[in-house]
Amino acid sequence: QSALTQPASVSGSPGQSITISCTGTNNDVGSYNFVSWYQQHPGKAPKLMILEGSKRPSGVSNRFSGSKSGNTASLTISGLQAEDEADYYCCSYAGSITWVFGGGTKLTVL
Amino acid sequence: EVQLVESGGGLAQPGGSLRLSCAASELSFSSYNMNWVRQAPGKGLEWISYIGGGFNIYYADSVKGRFTISRDNAKKSLYLQMNSLRAEDTAVYYCVRDRDYAFEDWGQGTLVTVSS
Repeated sequence: QSALTQPASVSGSPGQSITISCTGTNNDVGSYNFVSWYQQHPGKAPKLMILEGSKRPSGVSNRFSGSKSGNTASLTISGLQAEDEADYYCCSYAGSITWVFGGGTKLTVL
Repeated sequence: EVQLVESGGGLAQPGGSLRLSCAASELSFSSYNMNWVRQAPGKGLEWISYIGGGFNIYYADSVKGRFTISRDNAKKSLYLQMNSLRAEDTAVYYCVRDRDYAFEDWGQGTLVTVSS
């Protein structure tokens, strides 16, 4: 299984919106509606932000939204805040009880 | 939200073994699907193993044949027996509960360092 492709870094100013892409293949992102997104602050465990492509777990701000088109999933963060600065990882179910993660994207809030 | 606490990390020599443990706080642990996910220093996340409530087991190719996942529902615990360790197994290992094909609850992680 090859890792999903994410941009290494993105940045935005407070109040702006940013989008992080996550590109997979017909074997993972393109075949299943089970893309999830995780936020990880330095030295901390990842936190689930989006599941099943676009659903937010209880307690996650509605500033975070997810979508998918074909083999590419996207995470959009609107109204950027300083505390959103973190690493973000996408993940897709890849069949046969296996998962594949993206390489991660470092979000900088300018 | 289930609390998960890993232990057992440390320094191991190449070719050596370590056993990681993960203690869960919830009585309903027996019904949870559990996983191990690792993160090499400065690198991304990698799913490595799954054990379902029905004890079905799956591994990533990178650890198949070397690592063994198991669980003891009476002790509300998850385990990872790691044999034939390699330098590239150096990572923080997270115990994770999955639900609806997403990794919902994470432990704090335990660091495994493989070095001579």
